[in-house]
Amino acid sequence: AQSVTQLGSHVSVSEGALVLLRCNYSSSVPPYLFWYVQYPNQGLQLLLKYTSAATLVKGINGFEAEFKKSETSFHLTKPSAHMSDAAEYFCAVTGPFGGTASKLTFGTGTRLQVTL
Amino acid sequence: ETGVTQSPTHLIKTRGQQVTLRCSSQSGHNTVSWYQQALGQGPQFIFQYYREEENGRGNFPPRFSGLQFPNYSSELNVNALELDDSALYLCASSVGTGWVFGPGTRLTVL
Repeated sequence: AQSVTQLGSHVSVSEGALVLLRCNYSSSVPPYLFWYVQYPNQGLQLLLKYTSAATLVKGINGFEAEFKKSETSFHLTKPSAHMSDAAEYFCAVTGPFGGTASKLTFGTGTRLQVTL
Repeated sequence: ETGVTQSPTHLIKTRGQQVTLRCSSQSGHNTVSWYQQALGQGPQFIFQYYREEENGRGNFPPRFSGLQFPNYSSELNVNALELDDSALYLCASSVGTGWVFGPGTRLTVL
């Protein structure tokens, strides 16, 4: 069984400040981990993914995440927030691709607010 | 890449009715999954199809059913709609190690 826990349903940062969105996972198999962003009334857009290669993963729009097996974490960061980053962010986990293990299990989401 | 498309964008039904939602996946993506996202929650896995066969199902009752076709399109059918079925329904297709999501269909059940 797999699960993810996103700490903080709402995070507010000032424009230009560091963004840190927390995600911890639980998995009985080597995990693949993802961060998705969802803007209002839209679908999910992939920010980045970890698939057992480099532990520091760089994604789109300046976001990155580090896979830490010892801490079972995959936190999302961005050095400098921009107003356009305001959205809902979801962490998700899956097992190796192929078969039923490849279904995504999502966290409950973190709403990021960026203020002036 | 043509992306993943879904239709319709919005849909309003009444309790007890049946609904069919459609998804068109990217060419070559032979795995498709459907998710339900209730308001304020993360997406929940409904089921997955691989080469036109269901090969995984979440905690959803049998009135949720699906089909996948050889042309990379798929359907989600929901019978006997209930008020709690109101949600955003997302289709995602995959080949390799990534999932590409469609924009979703917003279903409202009155």
